[in-house]
Amino acid sequence: SQKIEQNSEALNIQEGKTATLTCNYTNYSPAYLQWYRQDPGRGPVFLLLIRENEKEKRKERLKVTFDTTLKQSLFHITASQPADSATYLCALVMDSNYQLIWGAGTKLIIKP
Amino acid sequence: KAGVTQTPRYLIKTRGQQVTLSCSPISGHRSVSWYQQTPGQGLQFLFEYFSETQRNKGNFPGRFSGRQFSNSRSEMNVSTLELGDSALYLCASGSTGGAYGYTFGSGTRLTVV
Repeated sequence: SQKIEQNSEALNIQEGKTATLTCNYTNYSPAYLQWYRQDPGRGPVFLLLIRENEKEKRKERLKVTFDTTLKQSLFHITASQPADSATYLCALVMDSNYQLIWGAGTKLIIKP
Repeated sequence: KAGVTQTPRYLIKTRGQQVTLSCSPISGHRSVSWYQQTPGQGLQFLFEYFSETQRNKGNFPGRFSGRQFSNSRSEMNVSTLELGDSALYLCASGSTGGAYGYTFGSGTRLTVV
């Protein structure tokens, strides 16, 4: 069956350290993979997109990697801050119909 | 530029009633998607409209319907409301394909009593 998985348990990281979140999928061949941040009661906010032929993408303190062989994307936040605490969602974009397939999200807690 | 506007922000309805939610996408965006989110649940995809046509549809009953107008504004309708329909309804606006990120509205919080 097709599925997309993110760490279901909250991830607790000490301020200043690098937080790494995982997005694994099976039986999909996405054209793109997107990462979003969501705060409680708010809509998700787009952070980064990586294409199937890209290995890595960076934006300020954020870095995303995409391994289509392992069917995995890693999302890194370096020099983490308490303000980075939120739920982070990954979404696959299917090339055939542009539909987004969403992971359930990982709650990240950055402790001062 | 203006973001995605969803109205109303909050709504309380009684079981059995129907409700219409509105979404105005970012100017120039032709794709509008609707999602349902309940506490502890991920984003549940309802449907996507692109240039007034429904392009994708999730696994929701026929009580959930939508439409998109020529100016790309979209409405979502839920008929015969059930208690389980209480949720945050989010709308996302995007350009063609998935090559760019989607912009979400702040959502409509629907409570069915």
